[in-house]
Amino acid sequence: DTGVSQDPRHKITKRGQNVTFRCDPISEHNRLYWYRQTLGQGPEFLTYFQNEAQLEKSRLLSDRFSAERPKGSFSTLEIQRTEQGDSAMYLCASSLRSANYGYTFGSGTRLTVV
Amino acid sequence: KNEVEQSPQNLTAQEGEFITINCSYSVGISALHWLQQHPGGGIVSLFMLSSGKKKHGRLIATINIQEKHSSLHITASHPRDSAVYICAVELYGQNFVFGPGTRLSVLP
Repeated sequence: DTGVSQDPRHKITKRGQNVTFRCDPISEHNRLYWYRQTLGQGPEFLTYFQNEAQLEKSRLLSDRFSAERPKGSFSTLEIQRTEQGDSAMYLCASSLRSANYGYTFGSGTRLTVV
Repeated sequence: KNEVEQSPQNLTAQEGEFITINCSYSVGISALHWLQQHPGGGIVSLFMLSSGKKKHGRLIATINIQEKHSSLHITASHPRDSAVYICAVELYGQNFVFGPGTRLSVLP
């Protein structure tokens, strides 16, 4: 499978714990995006990288959230001190150069904070 | 066969034309989303549908659950509507399956 893969598919954690998600984009894609989707809502943009540079961060990305793409390949999204409101689907997508070339999305990581 | 298919793959229209983008899926779903993505931008959620029809401004989305089909219509299209339109389905208790997207260009 050469698509965008996300790991884990599901994560249940206790409030206050830290969690980290991983996204492996399509290898030649240099842009990588993170989105969040809460129940009943459409996806919301969180942040994106071009290669290893984080170019844009949404206001949704509070200080408890951090994303990295250290070598311009895979990316991690960490949430510290999780809250129940963090429960959502976290989606990753990648593209080549720009959106004009189309996006490929991962299947998402569903986070449940209990 | 992909679980979510869209047609057309690419669409070029003249300003003012009525546009239809179709989405068909082959699995049971809890909801269907239409997403819009502009070059270099994030995704904007346009509609979430589980039945019937929704309208927002010049955009109309319909879904037929029995036929597993949804359409997105744009009336009086404008160059600023140029974007990639993505159909995404939510599977019961599972993750999303996204369509391949329809690239729309509206020429002035």
